[in-house]
Amino acid sequence: QVQLQESGPGLVRPSETLSLTCGVSGAPVSSSLYYWMWVRQSPGKGLEFIGYVNNNGITNYSPSLKSRITISVNTSKNQFSLKVNSVTAADTAVYFCARVKWTTMMKSHFETRFYHMDVWGKGSTVIVSS
Amino acid sequence: DIQMTQSPPSLSASLGDRVTISCRAGQNIDTFLNWYQQKPGEAPQLLISAASTLQSGVPSRFSGSGSGTEFTLTIDTVQREDFATYFCQQSSLTPWTFGQGTKMEIK
Repeated sequence: QVQLQESGPGLVRPSETLSLTCGVSGAPVSSSLYYWMWVRQSPGKGLEFIGYVNNNGITNYSPSLKSRITISVNTSKNQFSLKVNSVTAADTAVYFCARVKWTTMMKSHFETRFYHMDVWGKGSTVIVSS
Repeated sequence: DIQMTQSPPSLSASLGDRVTISCRAGQNIDTFLNWYQQKPGEAPQLLISAASTLQSGVPSRFSGSGSGTEFTLTIDTVQREDFATYFCQQSSLTPWTFGQGTKMEIK
């Protein structure tokens, strides 16, 4: 059974760096069959795509956060992490890590991936406040 | 970004009802559409992928349909454990975006 677990500080000061780690059990982050993703949820913005990383460390970031975030994978510890620089109160949210999986279908003679998040962590509440 | 709009934002249903939740995409997303269920204090749980593919372990009373810009999640014979918030999410283009959610409450 695959499980993901977020860990990190629950309180971060404005202008500092938010750091979270997602520990993975039951599946290797080194697998080419998955991506590893961060999503956050706040009352004001709902569920928000932060970005994902693949097993080779290639990332896809939200354009609105791209200048402030880093997502990386650590295969030796079987975990991946998120860093958000220069945080403000707007970064206060519940942060979820998730596994991205896909099914492949033929669309107009091309092999096409249908992505979805099939396993999620329980979420980590992060409050940005002085 | 592709905007996803769900309706209604909330609804009240009785046990045994048939419920329909709609999701509209701001542009054509073919069938790159997933549905999730979220209960208070928990992470979202994947119900349906690629607009209509029911995930393993999800009860067959859940079904999804649609393509292009209009999608529907249907729950036949609502059970007590179905009272939750439902989200649609597009995976056609990054950044993947979510609907604002539909909260289903017991009548």
